[in-house]
Amino acid sequence: DTAVSQTPKYLVTQMGNDKSIKCEQNLGHDTMYWYKQDSKKFLKIMFSYNNKELIINETVPNRFSPKSPDKAHLNLHINSLELGDSAVYFCASSRHTGEQYFGPGTRLTVT
Amino acid sequence: QQPVQSPQAVILREGEDAVINCSSSKALYSVHWYRQKHGEAPVFLMILLKGGEQKGHEKISASFNEKKQQSSLYLTASQLSYSGTYFCGTEDAGGTSYGKLTFGQGTILTVHP
Repeated sequence: DTAVSQTPKYLVTQMGNDKSIKCEQNLGHDTMYWYKQDSKKFLKIMFSYNNKELIINETVPNRFSPKSPDKAHLNLHINSLELGDSAVYFCASSRHTGEQYFGPGTRLTVT
Repeated sequence: QQPVQSPQAVILREGEDAVINCSSSKALYSVHWYRQKHGEAPVFLMILLKGGEQKGHEKISASFNEKKQQSSLYLTASQLSYSGTYFCGTEDAGGTSYGKLTFGQGTILTVHP
């Protein structure tokens, strides 16, 4: 019954490693997002896909690469992880530009 | 530029009322309100789309003054379950934002028995 799911929930890794976070939604929405929430709770959009097409690409380092294999999935791959990448990453989905439903989040800790 | 929320924090007793404000320097198409409890994901509360629009959800309602680029969230007869961080998310007017929300810094609401 989970509407928006993310895996993993926690991710602890060392600097320089590459990691991926997966997101799936079963709401039939056409738009999916990645957000980063830092330690001060500031929530900032990173990317958005509409029907597998990238429509929002904020000023994010090239080390971050989203991929949407289909409308229900949006993954985030991060290369060469840095300490500053430590944050909670939320996936969200919406029907066009309506209300957004957030996944449970992935807490990434880079050591 | 992110919208500015006020106050930054508010402490209430059960049954008291609160107002959280969200102000933007840009012309807005919509304002969303979300609540996030500690360690959880933000949860959608309501969306306001038109100037002067007001919406209600149980004892939580909101208004949107398009001309002033401001929105307010009203919580009446607060309950313990209302505790959390409230975020407004604004979508710029102009038709090219594609649902992009810029969130305010959040307002921490604490309700005590």
